[in-house]
Amino acid sequence: GAGVSQSPSNKVTEKGKDVELRCDPISGHTALYWYRQSLGQGLEFLIYFQGNSAPDKSGLPSDRFSAERTGGSVSTLTIQRTQQEDSAVYLCASSSGVSNYGYTFGSGTRLTVV
Amino acid sequence: DQQVKQNSPSLSVQEGRISILNCDYTNSMFDYFLWYKKYPAEGPTFLISISSIKDKNEDGRFTVFLNKSAKHLSLHIVPSQPGDSAVYFCAAKEKGTYKYIFGTGTRLKVLA
Repeated sequence: GAGVSQSPSNKVTEKGKDVELRCDPISGHTALYWYRQSLGQGLEFLIYFQGNSAPDKSGLPSDRFSAERTGGSVSTLTIQRTQQEDSAVYLCASSSGVSNYGYTFGSGTRLTVV
Repeated sequence: DQQVKQNSPSLSVQEGRISILNCDYTNSMFDYFLWYKKYPAEGPTFLISISSIKDKNEDGRFTVFLNKSAKHLSLHIVPSQPGDSAVYFCAAKEKGTYKYIFGTGTRLKVLA
């Protein structure tokens, strides 16, 4: 597509439920990144994909968080047993490789855990 | 430990004047620096970049300065316009890596 598309744009969930966040990167971009922005915080790195593999998962905050990417395209970030501290804007970005010009970000999914 | 710091959470500037946004970093292995701009309910958008081998990069009203000895980066916007009101993030990456580390952002408000 023309840009990075994320869905849903907003998600309200009850504590303890599982959620799935979707990212559709720019066509042809091999690298895909997940970040999150909690209230008053910067963008926190979560995970990086090159193709379908994830060489760096170091930013995932706990084992409740997982992500996958299929067909070198769409990625899903799953949060199990959500907690209130998971409330944040989850941003996906893509690039055509190691980029000295940064990434193209989607508009994000605002997750609220009540 | 924050490797990229933006110590000013907010800044207000009159339209037409210069806006200066600052960023400090601790990692001497950073080789590329970026500034992103973010409007509410939108993703960050790339604004301007600078390589560690340079000390200045200019693009229209936007200039980024890099002082490696001080590990300090700044973004100058001149003249500032109301449409520049947004949150600005600086970001940096290590040579040979793919991952950008972001600061906490500075909210710029340009007053008409």
